Amino acid sequence: SYDLTQPVSESVALGQTARITCGGNNIGSKSVHWYQQKPGQAPVLVINRNTNRPSGIPERFSGSNSGNTATLTISRAQVGDDADYYCQVWDSSTCVFGTGTKVTVL
Amino acid sequence: EERLVESGGDLVKPGGSLRISCVASGVSFRDSWMAWVRQAPGKGLEWVGRIKSKTSGGAIEYAAPVKDRFTISRDDSRSTLYLQMNSLKAEDTAVYYCAHDFGVSNWLGPWGQGTLVTVSS
Repeated sequence: SYDLTQPVSESVALGQTARITCGGNNIGSKSVHWYQQKPGQAPVLVINRNTNRPSGIPERFSGSNSGNTATLTISRAQVGDDADYYCQVWDSSTCVFGTGTKVTVL
Repeated sequence: EERLVESGGDLVKPGGSLRISCVASGVSFRDSWMAWVRQAPGKGLEWVGRIKSKTSGGAIEYAAPVKDRFTISRDDSRSTLYLQMNSLKAEDTAVYYCAHDFGVSNWLGPWGQGTLVTVSS
């Protein structure tokens, strides 16, 4: 099976930049999607196809993907960005989610 | 605007069965691929399976932990997605979300609010 590894947690100071990594074997050859999930709520798509922001997602959210690591970058972090973040890919007709990263804005 | 609403979550004994539903609105449901994703308490997201639209062949795919126990189906006339769960185990306890599946190598979304299934004696 294909595994996606994320750091358990990341802390970022208010107004600074957070980078959340998603590691997988040759993940750069796959299309990576990112979701934000706040406590008690359903996940929301924030980045699709590695770099694309859906309508309504702030420009502060951006993505990249190369080699064995995909990265979600949150610029000018705000208190409202406090949430869990998950990466996701498809592998052999199976949807795979990353282990999830809890982002805390200090 | 597309909206998904799950229902039917309940407390079930181990070995029991349960069917949960997801009603879609604001979208051409018959043309949509749909997925189920679950989240155990305090844990991460886990894909359960997907069903393609009939126009795309209607194939159904399952994650290994639920294959042969769970069945995904759809009623396009009612814009409703179903998940029939049999031989339930304690480890199936989770919030179950339905989501619009945008197809091969693509993303999931929007998601419903989820329905809680608890398997306990």
